[in-house]
Amino acid sequence: QQQVKQSPQSLIVQKGGISIINCAYENTAFDYFPWYQQFPGKGPALLIAIRPDVSEKKEGRFTISFNKSAKQFSLHIMDSQPGDSATYFCAAVTSGTYKYIFGTGTRLKVLA
Amino acid sequence: NAGVTQTPKFRVLKTGQSMTLLCAQDMNHEYMYWYRQDPGMGLRLIHYSVGEGTTAKGEVPDGYNVSRLKKQNFLLGLESAAPSQTSVYFCASSYGGYSNQPQHFGDGTRLSIL
Repeated sequence: QQQVKQSPQSLIVQKGGISIINCAYENTAFDYFPWYQQFPGKGPALLIAIRPDVSEKKEGRFTISFNKSAKQFSLHIMDSQPGDSATYFCAAVTSGTYKYIFGTGTRLKVLA
Repeated sequence: NAGVTQTPKFRVLKTGQSMTLLCAQDMNHEYMYWYRQDPGMGLRLIHYSVGEGTTAKGEVPDGYNVSRLKKQNFLLGLESAAPSQTSVYFCASSYGGYSNQPQHFGDGTRLSIL
């Protein structure tokens, strides 16, 4: 069974701090790694995504770091804000399969 | 823009009852998916469809059936509900099957089986 292991399960960060969520995978056929953000009562929404041919992708305060050799990728939220409080899911997918394998989620709380 | 709309938003069923969850998308997407979300388990794919009239099994298909009679609609059926099917169900759609075409999610149906 293909798996994506996500940690930590929950995270509390002070306003202005850096939030870091990590994911690890086993299947080297994965070639697209999106992160989804989910607010309570809502469905997940695509936040940022990366392909393994780059080591980092930044969009505003959100950065994905990718380590192909270690088969790990992480989401960094700089200058975390209370509005970032949500559950974050990493995922991995292989081209042509259209089947996303999701991590178990990280519940982030940013304290004001 | 409605995007992906799921109905109903909440439902309570008794064990053995049947029901259908409806998903509708207005983005002309070819691909549609049904997931269930359980605490500590992330999102697990139940069934998916790569086009009108097609369906396929995902990771956890047992106890569920689906139909895609119209391109914009994807129905998830529970023929005989069981307490283990208590979950939040999400429908998603995507333009195509390429991995860089993101999946767009509805806001979920919260289903409790007593």
